[in-house]
Amino acid sequence: GAVVSQHPSRVICKSGTSVKIECRSLDFQATTMFWYRQFPKKSLMLMATSNEGSKATYEQGVEKDKFLINHASLTLSTLTVTSAHPEDSSFYICSAGAGLAGGNNEQFFGPGTRLTVL
Amino acid sequence: AQKVTQAQTEISVVEKEDVTLDCVYETRDTTYYLFWYKQPPSGELVFLIRRNSFDEQNEISGRYSWNFQKSTSSFNFTITASQVVDSAVYFCALSTSGTYKYIFGTGTRLKVLA
Repeated sequence: GAVVSQHPSRVICKSGTSVKIECRSLDFQATTMFWYRQFPKKSLMLMATSNEGSKATYEQGVEKDKFLINHASLTLSTLTVTSAHPEDSSFYICSAGAGLAGGNNEQFFGPGTRLTVL
Repeated sequence: AQKVTQAQTEISVVEKEDVTLDCVYETRDTTYYLFWYKQPPSGELVFLIRRNSFDEQNEISGRYSWNFQKSTSSFNFTITASQVVDSAVYFCALSTSGTYKYIFGTGTRLKVLA
């Protein structure tokens, strides 16, 4: 159980275009989802926390208008990188928490999406 | 302030050697959770273990073992008889009660040489 999927796994786009990444909890309802960004050889950096039906909470320094997050249902959250530029190239990872039912604060991680902006 | 420190940036060992990855955490909360994850070259995080602050029992799972010591705020991870497949980046993470947020350490890159 507790499987999280991400789509696409890899995307290459041109500078100026927008890219949407989907994160789905496949076998549980995720009240909270998280989006992380990871640069090469670096740790995971939390970008934002999203709760179903409400606005995402962004970490300091993360541009809300640049990284649009929507958590429309208990099984789906999306991250849209708007007007992508080469510096947005990175590995994006989502995770989901099962809420009180899951207990112990555990997050379940998706496999990640590698974004390359040309 | 909450913090996780993995002081070892990179470790290289020869296959069959034992290796310990250190993790030191800081928190003022009395209820918290500690995690270890493995990140192989594919990038996907692999869950290894979760510990809550009230359970100081050490754990062994096959070649893996964990030593949780609240007195030193450490949660160290030992791989016994390392194998090439253990080569990866290992992250320690802290989460406190009331929030799902993880605070990740900077990771330790383990290279196991044949």
